[in-house]
Amino acid sequence: AQRVTQPEKLLSVFKGAPVELKCNYSYSGSPELFWYVQYSRQRLQLLLRHISRESIKGFTADLNKGETSFHLKKPFAQEEDSAMYYCALSGGGSARQLTFGSGTQLTVLP
Amino acid sequence: DTAVSQTPKYLVTQMGNDKSIKCEQNLGHDTMYWYKQDSKKFLKIMFSYNNKELIINETVPNRFSPKSPDKAHLNLHINSLELGDSAVYFCASRHSGGARNEQFFGPGTRLTVL
Repeated sequence: AQRVTQPEKLLSVFKGAPVELKCNYSYSGSPELFWYVQYSRQRLQLLLRHISRESIKGFTADLNKGETSFHLKKPFAQEEDSAMYYCALSGGGSARQLTFGSGTQLTVLP
Repeated sequence: DTAVSQTPKYLVTQMGNDKSIKCEQNLGHDTMYWYKQDSKKFLKIMFSYNNKELIINETVPNRFSPKSPDKAHLNLHINSLELGDSAVYFCASRHSGGARNEQFFGPGTRLTVL
């Protein structure tokens, strides 16, 4: 069975402060990990994929297989980063459906 | 606009009614999904179709019946609606042969059962 855990339901930081959104996963094979973001009144959209090892909007996430974690980080939070963030896992199989964590609502305060 | 679209955006109905939600994608994808987001914002897969064939059915009550008339459409019909069906339903699509394995989501349909 595959599972994604995001321990923080709500997270508030001040503008300019570092932010880290935690994500841990459980999967027996080699998972593909993602971060999706949902801004207010907008659709869910892909932010990052672990395979790409990219930095999008200043966010990065590193897959740590030993700790089974895929935490999302940004050194200096901006007010426009306020949104709901979902960590997701895509396992094997033809459907490659996403298993989502419960989400973390990030609020960046001025 | 290339995107995943859903209709209606909002749906308010009485318990016991039957309703449908439609999803269309013009991205040329061959795999489509339905996800349910409950009141606590938890997102869970319901169904997945590939080339009009059902490949995932995640223990969803059989009151929910997806239908894919072609690769670009995946509709969701719900019979005998219950209070617990109130949620936001998201359609998504993906190109199964794509390198990015990225799913594109629709704007969601907020269903309220009274």
